[in-house]
Amino acid sequence: GQNIDQPTEMTATEGAIVQINCTYQTSGFNGLFWYQQHAGEAPTFLSYNVLDGLEEKGRFSSFLSRSKGYSYLLLKELQMKDSASYLCAVRDSNRDDKIIFGKGTRLHILP
Amino acid sequence: DGGITQSPKYLFRKEGQNVTLSCEQNLNHDAMYWYRQDPGQGLRLIYYSQIVNDFQKGDIAEGYSVSREKKESFPLTVTSAQKNPTAFYLCASSIDGWNTGELFFGEGSRLTVL
Repeated sequence: GQNIDQPTEMTATEGAIVQINCTYQTSGFNGLFWYQQHAGEAPTFLSYNVLDGLEEKGRFSSFLSRSKGYSYLLLKELQMKDSASYLCAVRDSNRDDKIIFGKGTRLHILP
Repeated sequence: DGGITQSPKYLFRKEGQNVTLSCEQNLNHDAMYWYRQDPGQGLRLIYYSQIVNDFQKGDIAEGYSVSREKKESFPLTVTSAQKNPTAFYLCASSIDGWNTGELFFGEGSRLTVL
């Protein structure tokens, strides 16, 4: 089977750092994506990891450990506009490379 | 500007009616996808197409149909057989279905069944 787990909701303060975790169990693995989605809008691509380690892109970083089936998205210097849902998604190499999404983590930023 | 265009943005339908959601892309992408999003749920894959004139069922294809007659177009029909069609529908594309390309999404179509 396949399962992608991430916390339903998180709250953090403007200017702080927050880490959103994602664990996955899929029959195959060919990359992990993080997307940001503001309410009522389309998801936008944030990051992609296929090898173990940390990928940094400005205020956002994403980490992957394939042996643990684990990833996290790290957001630094939080801004109010970072209030959104963050979607973890896995490309399953045993299912035609389809991209399977978790339920998303709704992040609330407090002033 | 390249992108994916979905229409209509909002759609109301009476029970028992079929409705077709349009998805057009000018990114020259081979692969296109339809996802459904419900409150508190992740995106669930309805259908996908890796190449023109070919498409595959996703995880929740029952009550839906698609066609891929042109590379740039991948319309989704929500039929009367779909038991709970009220949802937010997202169309996406990627360079191809086999490499590491990320998904590019359209703005979505919100369907409400009255």
